[in-house]
Amino acid sequence: QKEVEQDPGPLSVPEGAIVSLNCTYSNSAFQYFMWYRQYSRKGPELLMYTYSSGNKEDGRFTAQVDKSSKYISLFIRDSQPSDSATYLCAMSARSNSGYALNFGKGTSLLVTP
Amino acid sequence: DGGITQSPKYLFRKEGQNVTLSCEQNLNHDAMYWYRQDPGQGLRLIYYSQIVNDFQKGDIAEGYSVSREKKESFPLTVTSAQKNPTAFYLCASTLNRGQPQHFGDGTRLSIL
Repeated sequence: QKEVEQDPGPLSVPEGAIVSLNCTYSNSAFQYFMWYRQYSRKGPELLMYTYSSGNKEDGRFTAQVDKSSKYISLFIRDSQPSDSATYLCAMSARSNSGYALNFGKGTSLLVTP
Repeated sequence: DGGITQSPKYLFRKEGQNVTLSCEQNLNHDAMYWYRQDPGQGLRLIYYSQIVNDFQKGDIAEGYSVSREKKESFPLTVTSAQKNPTAFYLCASTLNRGQPQHFGDGTRLSIL
């Protein structure tokens, strides 16, 4: 079983919809959780960073971490066509490789006008 | 502006040739990482370095080599031993201690 599972989509929603993106993981040692957005032919851009469990909100974006269920979510409110991108979840823990990130495969999102 | 610069943006390799991808950061970050991204496979760790003059193999280090002579620089060499080098290569850096990694805009390597 891969350590981080993420549905690759694609996910298509109309402009203004609420988008829900999710990842599950198997390693209970993960403490740091991130969401990145990646546009085509660009590097991943950090959207949200959370330590341990709980919620974090930043503008239209909300990240949730449920360590008891080993499940993390990213919600996008009032989605815009400019949100069309691939969304990568990533997580890390102190290990022999420092804090190297473990990534999901990414979910492709298309927001249609 | 602080950031991570990867060059070149596109690179072509001939059979039997070694090529080097550049990664420079001016964020004063301690740790630097190289990832490979293939369609449908996510990002996989090639090498990482937590301090100058020290680096460690990641999950897919075979056919690659790195150096870390300066804090700001972490070049990756794709050697002729890497039989399937076509991919998007991403460099990242972090202050370490669990802080999020920041990425460059990648180098796309193809075989001629």
